[in-house]
Amino acid sequence: IAGITQAPTSQILAAGRRMTLRCTQDMRHNAMYWYRQDLGLGLRLIHYSNTAGTTGKGEVPDGYSVSRANTDDFPLTLASAVPSQTSVYFCASSDSGLAGDIDEQFFGPGTRLTVL
Amino acid sequence: GQNIDQPTEMTATEGAIVQINCTYQTSGFNGLFWYQQHAGEAPTFLSYNVLDGLEEKGRFSSFLSRSKGYSYLLLKELQMKDSASYLCARMDSNYQLIWGAGTKLIIKP
Repeated sequence: IAGITQAPTSQILAAGRRMTLRCTQDMRHNAMYWYRQDLGLGLRLIHYSNTAGTTGKGEVPDGYSVSRANTDDFPLTLASAVPSQTSVYFCASSDSGLAGDIDEQFFGPGTRLTVL
Repeated sequence: GQNIDQPTEMTATEGAIVQINCTYQTSGFNGLFWYQQHAGEAPTFLSYNVLDGLEEKGRFSSFLSRSKGYSYLLLKELQMKDSASYLCARMDSNYQLIWGAGTKLIIKP
């Protein structure tokens, strides 16, 4: 593994189904993030984690949950998918996790999710 | 999104120079990032400005004016591979990135 990986690459999901998007990084970064990207809109933060064991809500957290059991993994779960969750989902990580420590974010390749 | 404005699309000619502008809300500002995103791919980091002035990195430069809430990305000697979307992002008081919708740059031969 080099950098950040996401799985699956793409998925078509029936509304009401539960789905977990996986994200793993091997850079030992403290902070990890989940974004969604929709046409005509900027990347929007769903949830984040500044360090293993902690998580926080971003701009659009409703319908999503995350966990950060260790440094490397940051899965995103849709408990009951709805069509409005159709989007491209990007996981990112950065070395910074504390206020005042600023580093660039590195992005995974994305997961294209379609909810029907 | 969230008070970050940048043009939706720009067109430029191979070999030329193009400037992509970004204006942002100045309250709770902790820096300005530029990312490049090719179609169907992940964003990749280009530059970061926290102080006023110009940061140069090869063919790419980024400028910041904190008092005006203004930044630009300058791309010189344009190449066809520069065709991509350019994303402006402001770091807020919680050290989270607030992203613009991106500027799609089309390079013509």
